[in-house]
Amino acid sequence: GNSVTQMEGPVTLSEEAFLTINCTYTATGYPSLFWYVQYPGEGLQLLLKATKADDKGSNKGFEATYRKETTSFHLEKGSVQVSDSAVYFCALGDHTGGFKTIFGAGTRLFVKA
Amino acid sequence: EPEVTQTPSHQVTQMGQEVILRCVPISNHLYFYWYRQILGQKVEFLVSFYNNEISEKSEIFDDQFSVERPDGSNFTLKIRSTKLEDSAMYFCASSPGLVAFFGPGTRLTVL
Repeated sequence: GNSVTQMEGPVTLSEEAFLTINCTYTATGYPSLFWYVQYPGEGLQLLLKATKADDKGSNKGFEATYRKETTSFHLEKGSVQVSDSAVYFCALGDHTGGFKTIFGAGTRLFVKA
Repeated sequence: EPEVTQTPSHQVTQMGQEVILRCVPISNHLYFYWYRQILGQKVEFLVSFYNNEISEKSEIFDDQFSVERPDGSNFTLKIRSTKLEDSAMYFCASSPGLVAFFGPGTRLTVL
């Protein structure tokens, strides 16, 4: 079945450091790919998405490129802020039985001032 | 911007009791979902609902769970006889087809 694997956390960075969170997927067909963010005590917010190969999703300085050849969708940000501290979930849209979303395990990011 | 809303934000119940978690999806969305996140763990799919019926459910969604869309706006998840292991954050989501928009969640605590 379809699945998502992302790097384990926690990831601890200093402010203004470069961030990469790795994500790979297994899927039949060509799923849509997403990054969701969960701030402490809050729900899941869509951060960015990409719907086909080579698409780049971007939002709030975060970027991820849909790489079909490596089945990856790594999240990057050039300069993190303390306010970016959250849990980041890589996810794919599974269209086989409907449109459900399959999540990776989540990566907790701590950014220190 | 329209949002998915959920009530209550926190529900505490005794083991064996029934609970109903409520959601108001974004109007004009066609697909509705419930997900569960046990503390510190991954977000797990429970059930999807389309055209007034369940379109898919996971193995977690056993006979103690049911969903309803009692009117044109609400979407509910009922847990018939709660167990300690049902303690989790429950997220409702709605979608026009591609992207799911999630509510803020209901934290269920079973004592």
